[in-house]
Amino acid sequence: GQSLEQPSEVTAVEGAIVQINCTYQTSGFYGLSWYQQHDGGAPTFLSYNALDGLEETGRFSSFLSRSDSYGYLLLQELQMKDSASYFCAVPLGAGSYQLTFGKGTKLSVIP
Amino acid sequence: SAVISQKPSRDICQRGTSLTIQCQVDSQVTMMFWYRQQPGQSLTLIATANQGSEATYESGFVIDKFPISRPNLTFSTLTVSNMSPEDSSIYLCSAPTGGNYGYTFGSGTRLTVV
Repeated sequence: GQSLEQPSEVTAVEGAIVQINCTYQTSGFYGLSWYQQHDGGAPTFLSYNALDGLEETGRFSSFLSRSDSYGYLLLQELQMKDSASYFCAVPLGAGSYQLTFGKGTKLSVIP
Repeated sequence: SAVISQKPSRDICQRGTSLTIQCQVDSQVTMMFWYRQQPGQSLTLIATANQGSEATYESGFVIDKFPISRPNLTFSTLTVSNMSPEDSSIYLCSAPTGGNYGYTFGSGTRLTVV
């Protein structure tokens, strides 16, 4: 089966940089995704990494190291609106379109 | 990107009754997924709804409790049957509407069973 570990909570200051880690144990690897979910809202897709390295999309970047079974989401120039839960997710298996999600990291951005 | 309209957004139901949740996608998608999420918790996959075939259920979820319909490539319903307070949760539909596992989610249905 698939399992993912993330910190449950992270607090960071507005304008700072924060890194949210995700380690995974999977039977085969088919990519790591990140989703953002504000309280009371729907999850929204942020990024996907299939290969090692850093993917940058504006203030958000996502990193993957397949040899370490590890990835992270990097948020720069934090804004109050970035306060949300962040989930890493992996496909259930080879050729699977279904995702299994980590328990989520609640990010609180403080002034 | 695609938009998924989900309704109802919330409901309070009596135990023993059933509630049907609807999701409408503004484009055709081959698969739709139904998730359950307790507030502040992770998302748990209930089932995958494929057009033209029976839904595929994950371990711990059964068709009699969560019947699913998928009459066409833009619409699906999930029914929560014979509800008990343990069914109180947020139910979300989702579909792969972009590449690289960029899934779109409906806005969710917050269900309270009393």
